[in-house]
Amino acid sequence: SQTIHQWPATLVQPVGSPLSLECTVEGTSNPNLYWYRQAAGRGLQLLFYSVGIGQISSEVPQNLSASRPQDRQFILSSKKLLLSDSGFYLCAWSRGNDYGYTFGSGTRLTVV
Amino acid sequence: KNEVEQSPQNLTAQEGEFITINCSYSVGISALHWLQQHPGGGIVSLFMLSSGKKKHGRLIATINIQEKHSSLHITASHPRDSAVYICAVTEGAQKLVFGQGTRLTINP
Repeated sequence: SQTIHQWPATLVQPVGSPLSLECTVEGTSNPNLYWYRQAAGRGLQLLFYSVGIGQISSEVPQNLSASRPQDRQFILSSKKLLLSDSGFYLCAWSRGNDYGYTFGSGTRLTVV
Repeated sequence: KNEVEQSPQNLTAQEGEFITINCSYSVGISALHWLQQHPGGGIVSLFMLSSGKKKHGRLIATINIQEKHSSLHITASHPRDSAVYICAVTEGAQKLVFGQGTRLTINP
């Protein structure tokens, strides 16, 4: 069966520090991968998606970047965190438009 | 760009009540999703539908493509159903557009 792993679960980082969140999928190949963010009191927002290794599409210009070094690995990064980067980050995967989505357990990031 | 609106934003009910959450969208879609987000933040996909009706246990989801409207129903509601329910639509290009969510609280 397919599973998705996301870590860490919680993270407190100072402003200006780097960030690396990792997401891996098991049990499937060539998944579509997504990073979403949910700011406090707001809805989910798509940050990045990837349909293949090395293919990254950015939805919102920001202080973050994403990479997909392997088929089932998706990484969200920042060189220097801002206070506004605080939020709940979710990774997800799907086989495509005609299929459902499976979400990771999320990372709650607090930038102080 | 699609706009997804849910109603109500907050809903409190007593255990056993029949619950309905509504979702409207503005542009034609390929699929609509109902998601459940628990207090810890984790999200579970409940339904994906592009027409008609789906049922899973006490949960029922319907969609009317012509009216661009979907409903999520919960029968015999229970306190463990308390969560945020999110409607999201796929309009192409591998992307979901989310509603703001409906916070449901079921009191015993």
